[in-house]
Amino acid sequence: QKEVEQNSGPLSVPEGAIASLNCTYSDRGSQSFFWYRQYSGKSPELIMFIYSNGDKEDGRFTAQLNKASQYVSLLIRDSQPSDSATYLCASSNDYKLSFGAGTTVTVRA
Amino acid sequence: EAGVVQSPRYKIIEKKQPVAFWCNPISGHNTLYWYLQNLGQGPELLIRYENEEAVDDSQLPKDRFSAERLKGVDSTLKIQPAELGDSAVYLCASSLRGDRNNEQFFGPGTRLTVL
Repeated sequence: QKEVEQNSGPLSVPEGAIASLNCTYSDRGSQSFFWYRQYSGKSPELIMFIYSNGDKEDGRFTAQLNKASQYVSLLIRDSQPSDSATYLCASSNDYKLSFGAGTTVTVRA
Repeated sequence: EAGVVQSPRYKIIEKKQPVAFWCNPISGHNTLYWYLQNLGQGPELLIRYENEEAVDDSQLPKDRFSAERLKGVDSTLKIQPAELGDSAVYLCASSLRGDRNNEQFFGPGTRLTVL
């Protein structure tokens, strides 16, 4: 079992809709959780991190963390074509990041 | 502020040849990471440096991979000899020790193709 599992894609949503991405992790010692966006052929870029249970909002993005269920999610509201990318979920334990395989999102105009 | 710099961006070699990748982290970042990313997968840690010390190299295949960060700034990752299965993107990242959120910043990567 991989340390971080993401819902398999690809995920296709119409422009303006909400894209919902899910992630589970196995290491209960994980302290922080990250969502990276990776455009095709580019390097990952951090879009959000969360370390407390509950929701964290940043613009059109909302991250949710439930440590009891070992579950992290990312909601993208008002999805735009520029949001089309692969989204990587990662957990951090003592400076080690463990990444999921990513979920590819396509926003249809 | 300049980001993480890597070179070369692309490298094509024949199997059994040596290859080296170079990384310059963000100024002031004392933690440096080398990751390997295969197509359709997330990055996997190869080695982590705190200044010039390799503090986690448990995932580095030491029979053919080596790395160094002699002055605690730039780093070089080497493969000798390369195998077909080494074809991947090699990513360098850096972070600031003491950042409780361990925010890592990635370079553009080196895409290695082994023929």
